Amino acid sequence: DSGVTQTPKHLITATGQRVTLRCSPRSGDLSVYWYQQSLDQGLQFLIQYYNGEERAKGNILERFSAQQFPDLHSELNLSSLELGDSALYFCASSAGVMVYNEQFFGPGTRLTVL
Amino acid sequence: KNEVEQSPQNLTAQEGEFITINCSYSVGISALHWLQQHPGGGIVSLFMLSSGKKKHGRLIATINIQEKHSSLHITASHPRDSAVYICAVYNNNDMRFGAGTRLTVKP
Repeated sequence: DSGVTQTPKHLITATGQRVTLRCSPRSGDLSVYWYQQSLDQGLQFLIQYYNGEERAKGNILERFSAQQFPDLHSELNLSSLELGDSALYFCASSAGVMVYNEQFFGPGTRLTVL
Repeated sequence: KNEVEQSPQNLTAQEGEFITINCSYSVGISALHWLQQHPGGGIVSLFMLSSGKKKHGRLIATINIQEKHSSLHITASHPRDSAVYICAVYNNNDMRFGAGTRLTVKP
């Protein structure tokens, strides 16, 4: 158990809908990262927050947004969902601000868009 | 051409064999990360490297910055090592992932 929690584990929704994925980092970690893993694209970095501020941005679509709250949990919002958004979404956390600090991954949320 | 290339894509070994998985990259990096993804989907961080060599149990990771190449070795492989191994490279705040190497270790 990495200490990183993600909810929900599974999510099934329809095209055009909006969903929110939630992540709680390990106790004491200030950075939260979001990743998308799809069958055709592999693992992709979406975005990093450090202590409430956006720190680094990867291949995150404009339809997606994230935030980190004062209690350090983070939410990833996915809107106007398309079939291609079906994927595993991972959250990870680390103590430091740089992306190459050791990261601890949550169990993931499997999103299915029908 | 992908910025991060892993080889082989798939690897099947007999229990006890010595395993090598390779990762080559084409960009300058700050660090390289080896990840293990279990069949159930969970991801575990194995090593973070910026130079030299690291060892943890039966796993050894090396990196050659000049040659832009890293290897992950597993000694005395075991069926529980069966997983996808993913290489990630970091350059400042950017990260790129390899497609992964699927390892199956047969008893």
